[in-house]
Amino acid sequence: EIVLTQSPGPLSLSPGERVTLSCRASQTVANSHLAWYQQKPGQAPRLLIYGAYTRAPGIPDRFSGSGSGTDFTLTISRLEPEDFAVYYCQQYGSSDSYTFGPGTKVEI
Amino acid sequence: QVKLVESGGGVVQPGTSRTLSCAASGFRFSTYAMHWVRQAPGKGLEWVAVVSYDGTKKYYADSVKGRFTISRDNSKTTIFLDMNSLRPEDTAVYFCALWAGSTGGGLDSWGQGTLVTVSS
Repeated sequence: EIVLTQSPGPLSLSPGERVTLSCRASQTVANSHLAWYQQKPGQAPRLLIYGAYTRAPGIPDRFSGSGSGTDFTLTISRLEPEDFAVYYCQQYGSSDSYTFGPGTKVEI
Repeated sequence: QVKLVESGGGVVQPGTSRTLSCAASGFRFSTYAMHWVRQAPGKGLEWVAVVSYDGTKKYYADSVKGRFTISRDNSKTTIFLDMNSLRPEDTAVYFCALWAGSTGGGLDSWGQGTLVTVSS
């Protein structure tokens, strides 16, 4: 089973700042099948990025994903007030397991 | 638009069983895989199980393998999670989610979740 580790948090930042979140896999994620989600308190998660770098419909272009193999990043170019949340990565490189990372909280 | 509504949560005693349901609408249900994901109070997301579009393939997290069963009824556009031998550590909000309904990957639609509390 692939284990994902993420940037330790919480990250304390200000609106307008740039932030890069990391997600590292214990083994190669096949086909860069890596997704990122945002979750706010009391809400279901929202898909941001799939396939390591493709934005989901309706996701602002200040969100970008990159990486391959075992190392992936989510970058928010300029933090908006609504971006303060917890971010999770998920790998789906193996069809029988879809593990999540532990999450990174981005706080004001 | 896609709508996923979970039901069946509640307070249950350790060692007992519970079945969760997720009613889906707004998309061609029978052509998409569906997942269950859970979140213990104050904790992160944990993937639980997936069922293929036709119900023939099912995969589980190690933490629930042998105790939980995922299934679907395409005629009723509903998925289920049969949970047996429940443990306190199964206490969580259980979300159902649609795989790649409008994207090339990822869980792109989620329900609001149903809370299962396992306690004596």
